[in-house]
Amino acid sequence: KNEVEQSPQNLTAQEGEFITINCSYSVGISALHWLQQHPGGGIVSLFMLSSGKKKHGRLIATINIQEKHSSLHITASHPRDSAVYICAVDRYGGATNKLIFGTGTLLAVQP
Amino acid sequence: NAGVTQTPKFRILKIGQSMTLQCTQDMNHNYMYWYRQDPGMGLKLIYYSVGAGITDKGEVPNGYNVSRSTTEDFPLRLELAAPSQTSVYFCASSYLGGSSYEQYFGPGTRLTVT
Repeated sequence: KNEVEQSPQNLTAQEGEFITINCSYSVGISALHWLQQHPGGGIVSLFMLSSGKKKHGRLIATINIQEKHSSLHITASHPRDSAVYICAVDRYGGATNKLIFGTGTLLAVQP
Repeated sequence: NAGVTQTPKFRILKIGQSMTLQCTQDMNHNYMYWYRQDPGMGLKLIYYSVGAGITDKGEVPNGYNVSRSTTEDFPLRLELAAPSQTSVYFCASSYLGGSSYEQYFGPGTRLTVT
């Protein structure tokens, strides 16, 4: 079993819909990262969080440390949000920021 | 700042050939990483470095070598290319620290070994 699991693997939504992507992990962590990978391949960091909730524009990330679960929400989705969303965790006690990655969620937002 | 740059963007190698993937960052980051990304799999760490002159193995180091002679550069060497090394390779960097810091990724190198 992977240490980081994402669901769903694939998601198709209509423009304007509220989207949720989930991430569960089985190890103790110091932080969790959400990343976005566009069709061109480039990867950018969206959020890094260790507790609570963070918001940036239409994106919201939450984490529940006790339940070892995080969610990424996209409000008022748009076709430009189409990308692969990747969850990664920084294992607790690691001093080198060595991340463990999920396999990603492929999101397609249709106009 | 250019951020993290990688060259080449694409490369086709024959089995047994060698090549070096270049990675440079201009953010004065101490930590640098090499990952490979295979279809349907999460990114896997090949090698990482916590500073100039210091490198260590990640999850999948076999068939690769690295060096870190300067803070800016972290090249990845493939000595005897094999079809199993066909993948997309990403270099990343982050700030030094005991806490977790955001990683900045390069644009990737798509390598095919035939």
